[in-house]
Amino acid sequence: AQTVTQSQPEMSVQEAETVTLSCTYDTSESNYYLFWYKQPPSRQMILVIRQEAYKQQNATENRFSVNFQKAAKSFSLKISDSQLGDTAMYFCAFMKLFTGANNLFFGTGTRLTVIP
Amino acid sequence: NAGVTQTPKFQVLKTGQSMTLQCAQDMNHEYMSWYRQDPGMGLRLIHYSVGAGITDQGEVPNGYNVSRSTTEDFPLRLLSAAPSQTSVYFCASSLGPDRPGELFFGEGSRLTVL
Repeated sequence: AQTVTQSQPEMSVQEAETVTLSCTYDTSESNYYLFWYKQPPSRQMILVIRQEAYKQQNATENRFSVNFQKAAKSFSLKISDSQLGDTAMYFCAFMKLFTGANNLFFGTGTRLTVIP
Repeated sequence: NAGVTQTPKFQVLKTGQSMTLQCAQDMNHEYMSWYRQDPGMGLRLIHYSVGAGITDQGEVPNGYNVSRSTTEDFPLRLLSAAPSQTSVYFCASSLGPDRPGELFFGEGSRLTVL
């Protein structure tokens, strides 16, 4: 079974600063995907970034980047130049290498507040 | 662009009542799924479908039923509501293997069972 752990229930950051959200996971799989999803107060969840475990290079999407440490089973999200619109719940998620369904295992989430 | 549409957004039920949460997507996605979100537990998969006529159970399927008669619709039925089913329910759709793990979510349906 897969488990995804987010040990920071809440975090805050000043506008324009950088913040890092932590995620660890446990799996016996050697190939898989990891994701960060964002759920703004309006509640519609959107994909922020995806990392393939077989790729050593860390994924980057504009101000969002990850630090993927496969051996440590760690997958943190760094948000640079934080903006008020980044205020949201952030979920880390795991998926086995594609097995015929896009089924994700989610962590419990980190509530991020960006302070003006 | 409608994307994934869920109805109703809010519902209050009494224990033992049945109801259907509706989910429709207009992106021609083959894959659809239902998750529930509970405080301190993240999202958990209830049921999923990889195409019309095909459904399967997720992590927490008990007390729920699904069907997929068309590509667009994936309703979730609560057969006999229980207080433990008080939750926020999310429907999601995805392209499938071309975009692994990229789910498009609805806005959620908040269900309270008294």
